[in-house]
Amino acid sequence: GENVEQHPSTLSVQEGDSAVIKCTYSDSASNYFPWYKQELGKRPQLIIDIRSNVGEKKDQRIAVTLNKTAKHFSLHITETQPEDSAVYFCAADPSGGYNKLIFGAGTRLAVHP
Amino acid sequence: KAGVTQTPRYLIKTRGQQVTLSCSPISGHRSVSWYQQTPGQGLQFLFEYFSETQRNKGNFPGRFSGRQFSNSRSEMNVSTLELGDSALYLCASSLAGTGVDEQFFGPGTRLTVL
Repeated sequence: GENVEQHPSTLSVQEGDSAVIKCTYSDSASNYFPWYKQELGKRPQLIIDIRSNVGEKKDQRIAVTLNKTAKHFSLHITETQPEDSAVYFCAADPSGGYNKLIFGAGTRLAVHP
Repeated sequence: KAGVTQTPRYLIKTRGQQVTLSCSPISGHRSVSWYQQTPGQGLQFLFEYFSETQRNKGNFPGRFSGRQFSNSRSEMNVSTLELGDSALYLCASSLAGTGVDEQFFGPGTRLTVL
């Protein structure tokens, strides 16, 4: 079936450290992998995404890597700041472009000053 | 451009009642997806509509239904409410008809079933 596993469920780091969140997906038809950030009481917001024909993508302090053979992808945040504290969700779209996202369970990231 | 909007923002219902939630996508977006968010189950896909057609459905009972209008606005309906339907219901709109594109989420409707 369609499943996305996400680890860790909680992550606590000191300001300036790096944070890494890992996800594994089950459906090999998945070809789109977005990452969303959700602050308390707010809507999920896309922070970065990657498509299956790309192995890595960077946007300032955020990077995502994809290993299609192993069916896993990871989010890397460098030089973390207190405002990075939030819940992060990975997702995969196995629908071939019909906007069906299967989400991981989320990672609660706490960045301590 | 205005973002995705959802109404109402909060709802309180009792078991057995039905409820209708509304979602207005970003102007020009024709795809609307619905998700249920709960602390226990996380974010789960309900269904997706494009050009008034349901293209995908998640693993929810038939009590959950939806539709999309010609202006791309979408509604979802939950009949015979159960306590377990208490959740944040999020809709997301996307420009793409085929091929993947970013989904923009609305603020959600918080449904409480008593």
